[in-house]
Amino acid sequence: KNQVEQSPQSLIILEGKNCTLQCNYTVSPFSNLRWYKQDTGRGPVSLTIMTFSENTKSNGRYTATLDADTKQSSLHITASQLSDSASYICVVRFEKNYGGSQGNLIFGKGTKLSVKP
Amino acid sequence: EAGVVQSPRYKIIEKKQPVAFWCNPISGHNTLYWYLQNLGQGPELLIRYENEEAVDDSQLPKDRFSAERLKGVDSTLKIQPAELGDSAVYLCASSLEGGSSYEQYFGPGTRLTVT
Repeated sequence: KNQVEQSPQSLIILEGKNCTLQCNYTVSPFSNLRWYKQDTGRGPVSLTIMTFSENTKSNGRYTATLDADTKQSSLHITASQLSDSASYICVVRFEKNYGGSQGNLIFGKGTKLSVKP
Repeated sequence: EAGVVQSPRYKIIEKKQPVAFWCNPISGHNTLYWYLQNLGQGPELLIRYENEEAVDDSQLPKDRFSAERLKGVDSTLKIQPAELGDSAVYLCASSLEGGSSYEQYFGPGTRLTVT
């Protein structure tokens, strides 16, 4: 069964600290993996997208890693800011036209990050 | 460039009443998605359109939900009659399938409260 599991479910850190969010997936055949940031009351916004051959990608203070062998990804946030408080959703895409009842994207439940002053 | 536009942003209705949501995707995007998102959960696909054709509606509760995308541009999602369990955020997203990344762009969502 295609699944995306994220941990932790929620996380509280102090402003300026670093943190790492985890994503494990069992999606096959794999196409790409994305991390989205979703602010409260807003739609998800893409942070990074990685294909099978990419094992790291950065977007400012956000760095995503991908280990396609172990089917794990992480999102590292450096020098956190109050504006980083949001839910971070890991999304895995399987090959187009593969089929399945969820279209071709599998969403994790997200990690809710709270950055405190 | 305008993003995905959704309206209304918030809607409160009594159970058994009908409700409709509207979505205008990013200009030129041929694929449109409607998702349901419950609190603390990731989005769940309801229906996916490629142009005006619904290519995946297997998760749409067809007894009460309906959707249309006339002319392959904007789309409406309707619930009739609404139930208490329909309270959620309804997200619309669009993408340009056939591109290199198939990136989906989400709208702000419509928060539905059924009382």
